[in-house]
Amino acid sequence: KQEVTQIPAALSVPEGENLVLNCSFTDSAIYNLQWFRQDPGKGLTSLLLIQSSQREQTSGRLNASLDKSSGRSTLYIAASQPGDSATYLCAGLPSGTYKYIFGTGTRLKVLA
Amino acid sequence: EPEVTQTPSHQVTQMGQEVILRCVPISNHLYFYWYRQILGQKVEFLVSFYNNEISEKSEIFDDQFSVERPDGSNFTLKIRSTKLEDSAMYFCASSELAGDSTDTQYFGPGTRLTVL
Repeated sequence: KQEVTQIPAALSVPEGENLVLNCSFTDSAIYNLQWFRQDPGKGLTSLLLIQSSQREQTSGRLNASLDKSSGRSTLYIAASQPGDSATYLCAGLPSGTYKYIFGTGTRLKVLA
Repeated sequence: EPEVTQTPSHQVTQMGQEVILRCVPISNHLYFYWYRQILGQKVEFLVSFYNNEISEKSEIFDDQFSVERPDGSNFTLKIRSTKLEDSAMYFCASSELAGDSTDTQYFGPGTRLTVL
């Protein structure tokens, strides 16, 4: 059964730091992967999508990469800001299925 | 940019009542999905739907749940007799393709269901 682990579970950093959030799948056969942001009590905001032919994606201060051989993805946040405070979820689409498998998330707090 | 929309944003109901959650998928998409997230827990897959049939469902999706595409634009999730444990955020998603290397599911903003 495919499982997704996100490390760390929680992170508190001062403003301006560069961060790395990690996500790993027990089965590395992933079609594509999305990173989402979720504010407390709110919905999912898609941040970055890495499709099967890609290795990484960048949007502004965010960069996500996917190592298909190991089934690991990282989300890099540069120059963190208090507005980045949220829970970050990774979700992978295993090959041969219709369903995204979500991680439990990393709760990020950026202190001013 | 096209997006998935969901109504209502928040639904409060009494235990035992029927609820219908509505979704409007992206217009050229053919595959539709429901996920749910109980407070403090992971987002979990419920069901996928294609060509007016359920393609895949999880063990959570029991006889209390049903899905329907009543017209060309809406996709609904019905819970027949709600229980307290059905309280969750329900997300609809849609994709143009499925099981393909370029398949991407686009998620709606969610409906928060509170069962009292």
